Order: sequence, then C-alpha cells, then structure tokens
Amino acid sequence: AQKITQTQPGMFVQEKEAVTLDCTYDTSDPSYGLFWYKQPSSGEMIFLIYQGSYDQQNATEGRYSLNFQKARKSANLVISASQLGDSAMYFCAMREGNTGGFKTIFGAGTRLFVKA
Amino acid sequence: DAGVIQSPRHEVTEMGQEVTLRCKPISGHDYLFWYRQTMMRGLELLIYFNNNVPIDDSGMPEDRFSAKMPNASFSTLKIQPSEPRDSAVYFCASKDLTDTQYFGPGTRLTVL
Repeated sequence: AQKITQTQPGMFVQEKEAVTLDCTYDTSDPSYGLFWYKQPSSGEMIFLIYQGSYDQQNATEGRYSLNFQKARKSANLVISASQLGDSAMYFCAMREGNTGGFKTIFGAGTRLFVKA
Repeated sequence: DAGVIQSPRHEVTEMGQEVTLRCKPISGHDYLFWYRQTMMRGLELLIYFNNNVPIDDSGMPEDRFSAKMPNASFSTLKIQPSEPRDSAVYFCASKDLTDTQYFGPGTRLTVL
C-alpha cells in the first residue's frame, strides 16, 4: 500500500503567486516525521522543511510552509511568492515511527513549473 | 561545512563489470543512507547504517548489491556483476540525531 501519495504529477503557477503541493500519508504509528525536498533539473535533493507528528504548529521556512492536518493525514507544501527558480520536482517524504527506525519513504513527486 | 560527498558523479560501465560507489557523510553524522532513484520506481531506500553498523538492508534488490561502512567517514555501495537494469542515480544521505537527512549530489550510473 502506498504510504505517501502525491496526486499532482505536474503543476503550473504564475510567478509571484502562491502554490500548494498536495501530500497525504498513511501510518498507524503516532510518532513520525514529514519532509519536503526539492529536486531541480541539476539533480540534487535539497531539504526544504520538516514537520514532526507532535509539533503543535505548522512548520515554516522562509517562503515555504507546511500545512499539517493530522486528522486528515495531509502535509501540503505551500510556496508563497513563486519564483522562476522554484521550477523543480518536489518530493514529500515520511519517516515512520520508532518501530520503523529511520526508514524514510518518498512520494512519486510533483513537478512544478513557474511561468514568467 | 562540506556536505555529503559522493564519487564518482558519473559512471558508465559494461554489463558484468563491478561498480563501486563511494560516499563521505557530513562530519558528526552517525546515520548514513543509500538510495536509488529511477523513473519507474522513484526514490527507494536501499540500506542504512547507524554508527557504521547496517541497520536495515531490506531494500537491497539482490545479492549482487552490497554496502559497507568501514569507518564513520566512508561508505561504499558495490554492484557485482552490474546489469543494465541497475542504471539509476544513486544517492547517499546522512543525518545526526535530528530527523533531517542531507543528500549528496548523487552518482549517475549507466550500465551498457
């Protein structure tokens, strides 16, 4: 069963507008961590933002924020004021509970295109 | 501080040859992960180490793959013999006690 689902294979956004990339996850463990990574065309994996399952507030890092809705098991990434350099592949990932050690599962990714 | 270092960045080899990929984690990180990324299967965890000890190798595809971590600053992923279906980008990542893994630039492997 897929544990991380990213339903948007591709997204377009106008420069300077905000965009939301969807991610839903599935776990029965109360302790887990959620991540977003960016992979530009150059291929490296860049860490963007992290949310722990016990964190009370949504994580924010500059123009990135994570809309964490625990009951719905969703962890959407919001990018505000999109820039051309934001065009890339974005991966949602989950580190599943203590029983899973530090195994991290990645979603299939969403390709974001920022239009000038 | 230097990030995760991987070598080589690109490797082209012929089927049947042995391939060795190398990784130097971030200093002070005691977890090291090897991933493989393909178009068909996405990003998959192959194996991870804690304090140089392999903890979970359930993602290693078959016996042709092996990984070692002889010390805290070096790890290898070996494929012997290599096959065309092993063509992929192989990433190494490391982390400390916090949750976040930091990735190296990857090795693009092509097996002809």
